[in-house]
Amino acid sequence: ELKVEQNPLFLSMQEGKNYTIYCNYSTTSDRLYWYRQDPGKSLESLFVLLSNGAVKQEGRLMASLDTKARLSTLHITAAVHDLSATYFCAVDEKNRIIQGAQKLVFGQGTRLTINP
Amino acid sequence: DSGVTQTPKHLITATGQRVTLRCSPRSGDLSVYWYQQSLDQGLQFLIQYYNGEERAKGNILERFSAQQFPDLHSELNLSSLELGDSALYFCASSATLAGGMYQETQYFGPGTRLLVL
Repeated sequence: ELKVEQNPLFLSMQEGKNYTIYCNYSTTSDRLYWYRQDPGKSLESLFVLLSNGAVKQEGRLMASLDTKARLSTLHITAAVHDLSATYFCAVDEKNRIIQGAQKLVFGQGTRLTINP
Repeated sequence: DSGVTQTPKHLITATGQRVTLRCSPRSGDLSVYWYQQSLDQGLQFLIQYYNGEERAKGNILERFSAQQFPDLHSELNLSSLELGDSALYFCASSATLAGGMYQETQYFGPGTRLLVL
């Protein structure tokens, strides 16, 4: 059974600092997603990482995937208050039998608070 | 706005009752997914439908059922409700290319907040 673990679960940081959120998963997968959720809101797609070594960047956020280590990272550069949210990684539990089946297993989420 | 719509936004009901949650996917998306988000269980995948057929199943209780209609909208039926069913229920959709071999990212709707009293 695929398990996805994020750390840290809570992160409080100051504006302007850099930090990294880690996402480990337990079984082989080549498809990993990062989402953002604001309090009481829906999930917003940030990145889709589809292969080993994939790196994607959007503004102050950069995500990478190492499928051999079963590890993805979400790096925040020079944090600003607007990035305060809960960040989830999700891994596709591949079903090799049924075409088109997609089951995402989510991590627990990392609640990020950025203080001025 | 993801383009996925869900109704109702809020639902308050009593234990033992039955409710139906509705989801309309983004235009052109063939796959619909249902998720439950609660404080103790986190975000859990329930079920996926693709073009009217069930494709993947997660931790969905027997009291829960879903279907996808020919116009691609989907409904999640929750019956014999218990206090522990109180949660935020999300629907998501994705485009699946012909043959179902590839999915893009899932786009989430605004959710239905269910409170069982």
